[in-house]
Amino acid sequence: DILMTQSPSSLSASIGDRVTVTCRASQSIGTYLNWYQQKPGKAPNLLIYAASSLQSGVPSRFSGSGSGTDFTLTISSLQPEDFATYYCQQTYSIFLTFGGGTKIEIK
Amino acid sequence: EVQLVQSGPEMKKPGESLKISCKGSGDSFIKYWIDWVRQMPGKGLEWMGTISPGDSDVRYSPSFEGQVTISTDKSINTAYLQWSSLKASDTAIYYCARRGVLPFLEGIAIDAFDIWGQGTMVTVSS
Repeated sequence: DILMTQSPSSLSASIGDRVTVTCRASQSIGTYLNWYQQKPGKAPNLLIYAASSLQSGVPSRFSGSGSGTDFTLTISSLQPEDFATYYCQQTYSIFLTFGGGTKIEIK
Repeated sequence: EVQLVQSGPEMKKPGESLKISCKGSGDSFIKYWIDWVRQMPGKGLEWMGTISPGDSDVRYSPSFEGQVTISTDKSINTAYLQWSSLKASDTAIYYCARRGVLPFLEGIAIDAFDIWGQGTMVTVSS
């Protein structure tokens, strides 16, 4: 399996902060990398696909970058509704894997 | 708008069997693979496996192969996840998701879970 490692596992931030979450793959996956947001008690929601493509309806403050083994999700100006857990996912292998998640909490 | 609607919460005893469902709306159900994802209490997302409703081709995560069975009934736009003998460690929320194929470069597309069910909570306790 391709191991996906996210960092940090949690962070505290304030409204308006620029926030970056990192995801590292155990082998090169090109840009076969997606990001999801999950709020408590809800199903995950697709934010970014192919490392940097914004899913329809997702605010432009979300962006993604990276290729190969290192990827980042950036929220340019954190909003109250962005406090949630974020997961990366690789779809390079037929055996899909998720990162462990990054929980963004209010400072 | 395409939706995936999952069956309701289940409370079972160890050793019992269970089959939960995921019903899709719209006539495009058979065009997309349906995946299952486990989320244990307070934990992250784990990919379990996927099925093509059109021909019932199934692929399992090595971690779940032999532990669960994924199936589909395309005549009623429904995918299933089942257990023959539940364990307490199967307690979790189970999500189904549509595996969309999203183009991002000319001639290149990527799989991503673009539509999710609401989740089914399965509790296994004696």
